[in-house]
Order: sequence, then C-alpha cells, then structure tokens
Amino acid sequence: TQLLEQSPQFLSIQEGENLTVYCNSSSVFSSLQWYRQEPGEGPVLLVTVVTGGEVKKLKRLTFQFGDARKDSSLHITAAQPGDTGLYLCAGAGKSGGGADGLTFGKGTHLIIQP
Amino acid sequence: KAGVTQTPRYLIKTRGQQVTLSCSPISGHRSVSWYQQTPGQGLQFLFEYFSETQRNKGNFPGRFSGRQFSNSRSEMNVSTLELGDSALYLCASSLEGLAGGFPDTQYFGPGTRLTVL
Repeated sequence: TQLLEQSPQFLSIQEGENLTVYCNSSSVFSSLQWYRQEPGEGPVLLVTVVTGGEVKKLKRLTFQFGDARKDSSLHITAAQPGDTGLYLCAGAGKSGGGADGLTFGKGTHLIIQP
Repeated sequence: KAGVTQTPRYLIKTRGQQVTLSCSPISGHRSVSWYQQTPGQGLQFLFEYFSETQRNKGNFPGRFSGRQFSNSRSEMNVSTLELGDSALYLCASSLEGLAGGFPDTQYFGPGTRLTVL
C-alpha cells in the first residue's frame, strides 16, 4: 500500500488549460513537499508546506496543504509546455512513527502539448 | 556553486555481483540521502548519512549499505544483486538533512541508472 497516493497518474492537456493534481494519505505529516523531475535529472524542490490549510503560490502554480495535513493539491493555471514533467509529492514526519526521511508518492506524469 | 554529482551515470551488472555508487554533495552540505526510483514503486528512501553517521534508514534489506567520508562524499553498496535492484539510484544533499518533520531543502543529483541482467 502506497502511503501517499497521487492522482492522476498521467495527464496530457493542451497549452493554456488549467489542471489540478492531488496527493492524498491516511497519515498526518508534519510537512509536505512538491518536486518536479525532468527526464535524466533528479527531482527539484518546488515548495514546502507546513501548516494545515496553508496556500503557497509560485507564479502560475498554487499549492495547498489540507487542514488535517493529510493531503495536498497542486493547481497550474494556463499550463505551458515548460511545465511538462513528473510531479512528486513527499511527506516528512509521518505520524505513527516509522523511519524518518521523505515518503514519496509515485508521481503524476504531466504533458503539456503546444 | 557546483551541484550534486553522481558516478557512474550508467551501470550494467549481472545477478549476484555487487556494485558501489558514489555521490559528491554540494560543498558545505553535511547530509547525504539515498533513494531508489523504479516505475513500480516510485521513489523510496534508502538511508541518510550526516557527518559520517547513518541517521535514518528506510525499509530495505541489509544488502543495501552505505557510508560517508569526512569530506561528506558518500558511497552506496549493493551486494548480491537481484534483477529487482534495477533502478535509478538518486542521492540528495542538504545542509542539515532530514531530522524531524521539517527537512532541509534536498538537492538531488542526476542519478545512477543501474541495470541488473
């Protein structure tokens, strides 16, 4: 069972459209991070959210942490081809113990077609 | 400043062999973490080293081990390779690492693509 479920797994849309990807868990996390990974490269951190209900904006990207700190969403407005990549969410400080370290979802493969 | 470097970038081994992967962190970073990435399981945490000591460990068998040197460079070793060990192995460095629920910013290297035949 994957601790962090991301949906959708794959998404292909046209340039200019809006989209939302989700990251859900039954566990509470102290903080949650979003990364983007491009082919042949390692993930790059986009944002960290730490407070339940927190909303952070990064240009056309809006990140939200759920009130209960179990889920998060990433909304992209007016998507551009440069947004193409694998979007990963990662939780830290999972309640209930277990190894420290980041717990990653499997990711959403996003393709923005010109 | 230079980013995280990993060597080699690609590696092909056969079952039963062992392999050592290397990671050079960003200068000044004391924490190095290792991850395995596969299409089926995604990114999974292997372990973290901080100032030459293993600080955190994921749920991987003892065949996976690592170490960190005084200059913060880290190596990961996998013994008795299995077909299922084929994966992209990523390392990430940071100033203070993964302690607690508020991890320091992780800077990932490009990874080593390991293929086990």
